Amino acid sequence: DSGVTQTPKHLITATGQRVTLRCSPRSGDLSVYWYQQSLDQGLQFLIQYYNGEERAKGNILERFSAQQFPDLHSELNLSSLELGDSALYFCASSVTSTDTDTQYFGPGTRLTVL
Amino acid sequence: AQTVTQSQPEMSVQEAETVTLSCTYDTSESDYYLFWYKQPPSRQMILVIRQEAYKQQNATENRFSVNFQKAAKSFSLKISDSQLGDAAMYFCAYNSPQGAQKLVFGQGTRLTINP
Repeated sequence: DSGVTQTPKHLITATGQRVTLRCSPRSGDLSVYWYQQSLDQGLQFLIQYYNGEERAKGNILERFSAQQFPDLHSELNLSSLELGDSALYFCASSVTSTDTDTQYFGPGTRLTVL
Repeated sequence: AQTVTQSQPEMSVQEAETVTLSCTYDTSESDYYLFWYKQPPSRQMILVIRQEAYKQQNATENRFSVNFQKAAKSFSLKISDSQLGDAAMYFCAYNSPQGAQKLVFGQGTRLTINP
């Protein structure tokens, strides 16, 4: 157990809908990262937050957004869902936002868009 | 942009034997970090081992060790005394000190352990 929690574990929804994925980092970690794992794209970095502020963006679609709250938990919002958004979404956390930190991953949320 | 390549989509090994998974990467940076993550059927991403590029000594964690060849940009993972629980997808990842602190992953190698 990495100490990173993600809810829900599974999510099934329809095209055009909006969902929210939640992540709680390890105790003491200030940075949260979101990754998407799909069959065709592999594991891709979406976005990073550090202590409530957006720190870096990767290949995140405009239909997707995220935020980190004062208690350091983070939410990834996915809207206008398409079939291609079906994937495993991981949250990871690290102590700070520097390259020296190891990122520890949560169990992931499996999103299925029908 | 950095890229990570794992040229072995699948590997298999007999239980108790040793297996080596390959990883190469492309970068123009001199300082960076490399990781191996394991993803068992549960889909959890589990850190196996980490290597700092400035360290010449290869990292070791119990039965897991790496062969880091900086000039060749190669970072292979050796698993000794393979166990059934080692069966998983293994991902090599690169973390750059510049810009976004994101992990760049390879495509993964599926490791099967034969009893």
